[in-house]
Amino acid sequence: QQQVKQSPQSLIVQKGGISIINCAYENTAFDYFPWYQQFPGKGPALLIAIRPDVSEKKEGRFTISFNKSAKQFSLHIMDSQPGDSATYFCAALWRSASKIIFGSGTRLSIRP
Amino acid sequence: DGGITQSPKYLFRKEGQNVTLSCEQNLNHDAMYWYRQDPGQGLRLIYYSQIVNDFQKGDIAEGYSVSREKKESFPLTVTSAQKNPTAFYLCASMRRDTGELFFGEGSRLTVL
Repeated sequence: QQQVKQSPQSLIVQKGGISIINCAYENTAFDYFPWYQQFPGKGPALLIAIRPDVSEKKEGRFTISFNKSAKQFSLHIMDSQPGDSATYFCAALWRSASKIIFGSGTRLSIRP
Repeated sequence: DGGITQSPKYLFRKEGQNVTLSCEQNLNHDAMYWYRQDPGQGLRLIYYSQIVNDFQKGDIAEGYSVSREKKESFPLTVTSAQKNPTAFYLCASMRRDTGELFFGEGSRLTVL
C-alpha cells in the first residue's frame, strides 16, 4: 500500500520529441504528487507537483497528468532537449505525516 | 542563501571505522531525512525526523544512527555494522506547508 511504481526504468528520446514517464500509487491517503529531477552527482530538485483535485498541471514544457480513479499520474516533457537528460523520480506525499514515498526513478537520455 | 549543507562531499573510510556525515539547514524546517542512493538506483530512506529530539527508522536503518539535538542539524553516523556502506548519501528537509523536499548536494562515501 505504500509503494509508488514508476516506469520505464530508462528512456531514450530524440531531441524535440515527447518524453513520458508513468507512476502508479496505491494509498489513497496521499495528497500531493511531486516530480523531482536529478542530475549526476547532485541532489534531486523539485520539478513540478500536483494535488489530487486537479487533473493536469503545466509549467513550461513540463506537464503532469493525474488520474485519481486509476491512481496514476504521469510526467510529459514536450520538445525534449539534451539538457533534460537526467533521472526523474515521481513521489507521493502524505503531507500531514510528512511522509513521502519515491518511485524507483527513470533515467532519461535525450539524443541530439 | 537558504538551503541544505552536507559535508564532507567526498569521504574515504577504512573497513571497521565509524564515520559521521553532517547535514545542516537554515530553512527553519521541522522535518529532515537521510537517503541512500546506490549507482543507477533510487532513493532509500535511512532515517527521518519530524521534530527536534525525535526520529524514526526508515527502510534501511540497520548499521546507521542519527541524532536531532537541534532543529538545524541532523547528522548521520555510518557504523562499522553497516555491511556495504559505499554509497551516495542525501540529506533533505521538508517545507511543511507545501510538502516540498529540499535536498543537499550529497556526500559520497567510499569504504576502502
